Amino acid sequence: QSALTQPASVSGSPGQSITISCTGTSSDVGGYNYVSWYQQHPGKAPKLMIYEVSNRPSGVPDRFSGSKSGNTASLTISGLQAEDEADYYCSSYTSSSTLVVFGGGTKLTVL
Amino acid sequence: EVQLVESGGGLVQPGGSLRLSCAASGFTFSSYSMNWVRQAPGKGLEWVSYISSSSSTIYYADSVKGRFTISRDNAKNSLYLQMNSLRDEDTAVYYCARDDSSGYYGYWGQGTLVTVSS
Repeated sequence: QSALTQPASVSGSPGQSITISCTGTSSDVGGYNYVSWYQQHPGKAPKLMIYEVSNRPSGVPDRFSGSKSGNTASLTISGLQAEDEADYYCSSYTSSSTLVVFGGGTKLTVL
Repeated sequence: EVQLVESGGGLVQPGGSLRLSCAASGFTFSSYSMNWVRQAPGKGLEWVSYISSSSSTIYYADSVKGRFTISRDNAKNSLYLQMNSLRDEDTAVYYCARDDSSGYYGYWGQGTLVTVSS
């Protein structure tokens, strides 16, 4: 069982918006503004999409946004495009000896 | 251009050992902490180990503590993972990832597959 809880799957139509949640505890998501989101296409390495809750690395479209409330972080993708279909993972710094914990991943299907 | 290239994966029997390498280029390797992250077939990501830029601070996941050893050679721009007493559950693609700050990884290698099986 993963340390952070994500929905197994979400779906949306092109142009729509979707939100993926990531629930942890006060020892990780709730305790630090060090939540990241990664996109992973099949057979590829993960790609950083959001860091420190809401910051986008250079080159990531502004359709991707992140937020946090309490122990739950969220990734929102607006204006869904076919190429957004992928697995998405959240991660957080944690005060435990694990250092960094990941969510179980969410499969995004663009209908 | 930042590049991370892993090597050393392969098929090994349970109880065996393997050493993974990650060759870094395109950035000042000695200035960055590095990590190993793995992904079992069809499963999610699992952080494995962290090493600071000077090797002074090292962390391991509980699942590999006492069996795996992370190290680096800044003169060779290389990161390593020595894996001993391998188990079936260690089967995964192993990625090296650059720690850009506070546990987020801006760059990843392409991964190397480790298969533990008799």
